[in-house]
Amino acid sequence: DQQVKQNSPSLSVQEGRISILNCDYTNSMFDYFLWYKKYPAEGPTFLISISSIKDKNEDGRFTVFLNKSAKHLSLHIVPSQPGDSAVYFCAASPGANSKLTFGKGITLSVRP
Amino acid sequence: NAGVTQTPKFRILKIGQSMTLQCTQDMNHNYMYWYRQDPGMGLKLIYYSVGAGITDKGEVPNGYNVSRSTTEDFPLRLELAAPSQTSVYFCASSPQGAQAKLFFGSGTQLSVL
Repeated sequence: DQQVKQNSPSLSVQEGRISILNCDYTNSMFDYFLWYKKYPAEGPTFLISISSIKDKNEDGRFTVFLNKSAKHLSLHIVPSQPGDSAVYFCAASPGANSKLTFGKGITLSVRP
Repeated sequence: NAGVTQTPKFRILKIGQSMTLQCTQDMNHNYMYWYRQDPGMGLKLIYYSVGAGITDKGEVPNGYNVSRSTTEDFPLRLELAAPSQTSVYFCASSPQGAQAKLFFGSGTQLSVL
């Protein structure tokens, strides 16, 4: 049973436009959420995170929004750049020292 | 500036063979993890460790073993390799638990034929 769902396997956007990557979760005990980015033949790298006490966290071109009532979070990339083309994983944990649960990932392609 | 180093990068095993995937980190992190990623799937936790001498099972531990004799090293042992263990394996470390960001190695592509 998938507790973290990334239902769209891929997304293609034009350079300079906004990319919106969605993630849904089913476990109401999750209280911390992270996004990781992965290029081919490399390990994932941390991108941005958000605690359940917030509904928004921003870091440069990247913003994560959390809607706890809908159990939904989204990653916004504005403006999108070709170098953002990668697989993006959503992950969640139910406590500070608990294990992460990852989604299947979304492949983002940014067209020049 | 090594971070998390995994070896080998690629390996082909025959069914029934054994091997050890090596992982070492130079950031003095207490927590270390082994994940596997199957095509089109997310990362599944195999084993993890919260410090030297302490290991615990993750979601998919069957067919694997680990040890943590030092803070730096966290090898993953495959005994009696099976085709279902064909995957990409990632080692990761973090200074504390899941809510600290994980630092990943570059992965080991393993094929069992």
